[in-house]
Amino acid sequence: QVQLQQSGAELAKPGSSVKISCKASGYTFTSYYISWIKQTTGQGLEYIGYINTGSGGTNYNEKFKGKATLTVDKSSSTAFMQLSSLTPDDSAVYYCAKGATGDYWGQGVMVTVSS
Amino acid sequence: DIQMTQSPSSMSASLGDRVTITCRASQDIGNYLSWFQQKPGKSPRRMIYGATNLAAGVPSRFSGSRSGSDYSLTISSLESEDMAIYYCLQSIQYPYTFGAGTKLELK
Repeated sequence: QVQLQQSGAELAKPGSSVKISCKASGYTFTSYYISWIKQTTGQGLEYIGYINTGSGGTNYNEKFKGKATLTVDKSSSTAFMQLSSLTPDDSAVYYCAKGATGDYWGQGVMVTVSS
Repeated sequence: DIQMTQSPSSMSASLGDRVTITCRASQDIGNYLSWFQQKPGKSPRRMIYGATNLAAGVPSRFSGSRSGSDYSLTISSLESEDMAIYYCLQSIQYPYTFGAGTKLELK
């Protein structure tokens, strides 16, 4: 069965970076994009972007350019998202999802940015 | 960016009721519309894709339809397990954008 297993919750200081992982199983990893989505109480769901797991090509929402960096390790069927220069506004739950429109989602990672 | 205006923002209904939630797109999105269900503390689950196609494993009481730029998710006979927040997503143009959500509660 398709599974996307994300890394654990992060508590980070303002100005620092975090790197979240998303390990896929149950399907051919390189056949589907991995999308990333941010969820906050105030802004709802926001599409961050996607990575082509075969080529490594990326497409970012302009709002997240410079904030999020998407990478992939095909050998371990794992996608990564690094969030940099963190501020309290980056506190959210971050999801990875299979495909451009998310037919399966990871369990989410809560990132809390606080001094 | 394409704006997805979802209504209502919340609603209450009784078991067995027919429930309809709507999203209106600010531009033509064709049938590039998905619906997601999210229960408290859980990840979103795709229910409908391509505006009208039922995702695998989704009960047949769920259906999607389109009328012009209005897209609807209908639950034909509400069950207790359907209490959740529902979101629409347009996927014709980047950045993909979600509706603000509809919270469905039991009356």
